[in-house]
Amino acid sequence: DVKVTQSSRYLVKRTGEKVFLECVQDMDHENMFWYRQDPGLGLRLIYFSYDVKMKEKGDIPEGYSVSREKKERFSLILESASTNQTSMYLCASTIGGIEYTDTQYFGPGTRLTVL
Amino acid sequence: AQKITQTQPGMFVQEKEAVTLDCTYDTSDPSYGLFWYKQPSSGEMIFLIYQGSYDQQNATEGRYSLNFQKARKSANLVISASQLGDSAMYFCAMREGTGRRALTFGSGTRLQVQP
Repeated sequence: DVKVTQSSRYLVKRTGEKVFLECVQDMDHENMFWYRQDPGLGLRLIYFSYDVKMKEKGDIPEGYSVSREKKERFSLILESASTNQTSMYLCASTIGGIEYTDTQYFGPGTRLTVL
Repeated sequence: AQKITQTQPGMFVQEKEAVTLDCTYDTSDPSYGLFWYKQPSSGEMIFLIYQGSYDQQNATEGRYSLNFQKARKSANLVISASQLGDSAMYFCAMREGTGRRALTFGSGTRLQVQP
């Protein structure tokens, strides 16, 4: 079974802090994704990575950056956390390639609150 | 423009009855995949079922089936014999054959199964 883990289930941070959310997958997947989930909006893509050190912006990249130094790990960074970044953050991974059949497997999510 | 539309914010169903969750999509790409995910209150996204645009038959996985009507661009999820554990948010998502590798999600439907 694919296993995607995220470093924290719940996180509380202060405005202006630098925040790191970590995601690790154990199936040698090429692609990794960070989504943000807000009520009534579904999941929105922040960034994704298709290889080590390779990344592409998603729909809502403002205020975020990412890092992928190793294939199994994909980090989401909030450079200076703001209250409007309070949300549920979900990491996902897929085997890779361009096949539209590629199923995404998700981590358990991190509920971030910025005070 | 909305690519995935789920028009039912909330649904109720009696235990042991069948329920249909609606999903319509919009794409001009002939190659695409449609996915359904379940999200219980714990937050993790659980993959349920997949339908490819070229698949001739509707997908089925246990109590889940996908009613795929290509001409109408709809991909409704049917859950047979509902159980209390089916109470959750359900998301429809699409990945197109060209373009980005991430999924595009609908806003979700909250299903509540009543005893």
